[in-house]
Amino acid sequence: AQKITQTQPGMFVQEKEAVTLDCTYDTSDQSYGLFWYKQPSSGEMIFLIYQGSYDEQNATEGRYSLNFQKARKSANLVISASQLGDSAMYFCAMRGRDAGGTSYGKLTFGQGTILTVHP
Amino acid sequence: DGGITQSPKYLFRKEGQNVTLSCEQNLNHDAMYWYRQDPGQGLRLIYYSQIVNDFQKGDIAEGYSVSREKKESFPLTVTSAQKNPTAFYLCASSIDGQPGGEAFFGQGTRLTVV
Repeated sequence: AQKITQTQPGMFVQEKEAVTLDCTYDTSDQSYGLFWYKQPSSGEMIFLIYQGSYDEQNATEGRYSLNFQKARKSANLVISASQLGDSAMYFCAMRGRDAGGTSYGKLTFGQGTILTVHP
Repeated sequence: DGGITQSPKYLFRKEGQNVTLSCEQNLNHDAMYWYRQDPGQGLRLIYYSQIVNDFQKGDIAEGYSVSREKKESFPLTVTSAQKNPTAFYLCASSIDGQPGGEAFFGQGTRLTVV
C-alpha cells in the first residue's frame, strides 16, 4: 500500500522569501513517481514538478525544486522567491505499482498544505 | 486544444436520486481517475481505469459506480447508497504503464444534495 503524508496544514511566508512544504511517503516499491500540484481557490489542479525514484538529481522547474531524500522517503517542495500568486493549496502525490504489482495505475494524494504569502 | 472536460460544473441532487457526472478527455490517455475532495481536505481516490472496459476501486468506492466503454469517457454515477455525496469531484487522466507522466485534471464538478 502506498501512503502520502503532509504534516503542515498551513504555512505562512513573506513575499520574496523561500518556503519548504514537507511530504513523506510510504511504499515498499523501488520504482515510483512523485508529483506536486497546486490548487488555487478556483479549484483547478496545476501540475508543478515530478521526481522519479531512480532520478539521481533533484527535479527543478523554474522557482520550484524538489528536495528528494530517498532513504528518508521524503520529497519536499521548495518554492523560491515567493509571490502573492503562490497562495494556494499544495498537494504531494505518488504513483506506484498496483496491489497486483504489474502496473502503475493508482495515483495517491496527501492531505495538502495551505500556503499563504504575505506582502 | 487537448484537455479534460467535466460537466456539469455545478450539480444539485435530491436525496435518494442517482446522478451521473461526465468526464471526457481528448489527450489519448489510457488511464483515467475520479477523486472526491471535501472542503479543506485532500483528494481521495474513488475509482480508476487503465484500459477500456476495466476499472479498479479506489479508497472510497462505496456508493459510487463507473463505466469505461470508450477510451475518451469515464462517467461517475453517485448512487443513493452514498450517504454524504456533497463534495467537489475531480476527474483526471494520464499516460499509463510507468511511474511518470503527470495527471491532467478537469475543472471539477461541485455536487450538492438538497
